[in-house]
Amino acid sequence: DTGVSQDPRHKITKRGQNVTFRCDPISEHNRLYWYRQTLGQGPEFLTYFQNEAQLEKSRLLSDRFSAERPKGSFSTLEIQRTEQGDSAMYLCASSSLRGRAAYEQYFGPGTRLTVT
Amino acid sequence: GQNIDQPTEMTATEGAIVQINCTYQTSGFNGLFWYQQHAGEAPTFLSYNVLDGLEEKGRFSSFLSRSKGYSYLLLKELQMKDSASYLCAASGNTPLVFGKGTRLSVIA
Repeated sequence: DTGVSQDPRHKITKRGQNVTFRCDPISEHNRLYWYRQTLGQGPEFLTYFQNEAQLEKSRLLSDRFSAERPKGSFSTLEIQRTEQGDSAMYLCASSSLRGRAAYEQYFGPGTRLTVT
Repeated sequence: GQNIDQPTEMTATEGAIVQINCTYQTSGFNGLFWYQQHAGEAPTFLSYNVLDGLEEKGRFSSFLSRSKGYSYLLLKELQMKDSASYLCAASGNTPLVFGKGTRLSVIA
């Protein structure tokens, strides 16, 4: 396991369609995070999981967004009824719970979403 | 409220030293991260400061003053490949709050 992976890397969809992204964290990491990043901005926190429990959701996460991590391993982020404003890079990160490394997050390559 | 401030852009010469400053205000505070992000790529971890002081790691060093809500990233012996965005991020009650990033251009 060499790092966090995300699929797909790119997604183009029409407004109103639903999309789902997948994230596979580093295998021994308990925590998994989702961020959104637009051009010229830093990543914005969306939600995070500790094992299968979703512990926090940002106010940015409208009811069109849902995230799951059913078995405490991979996670999915679904966006329903996509809007042009959803166009962004969606980043996944994972971290361990142990020691100093508990705060160090490793990022995946991201999924770039374009809503037309 | 939560706020991270860092300069938008900086330019420096190959071989020189550059300091990128960051000030932060967060709800709760665990520590301060610096990430590097090349265009179109994911952020990669550079450093993490919990205690006040300077931590050195090769050409990169990071400093933290908790009482002043201030950090800086110091890059020495700049190389062209150091041209990237540098993201300051504070860990607190919300897992990570990122600044907008400082776009560093290294010129010959």
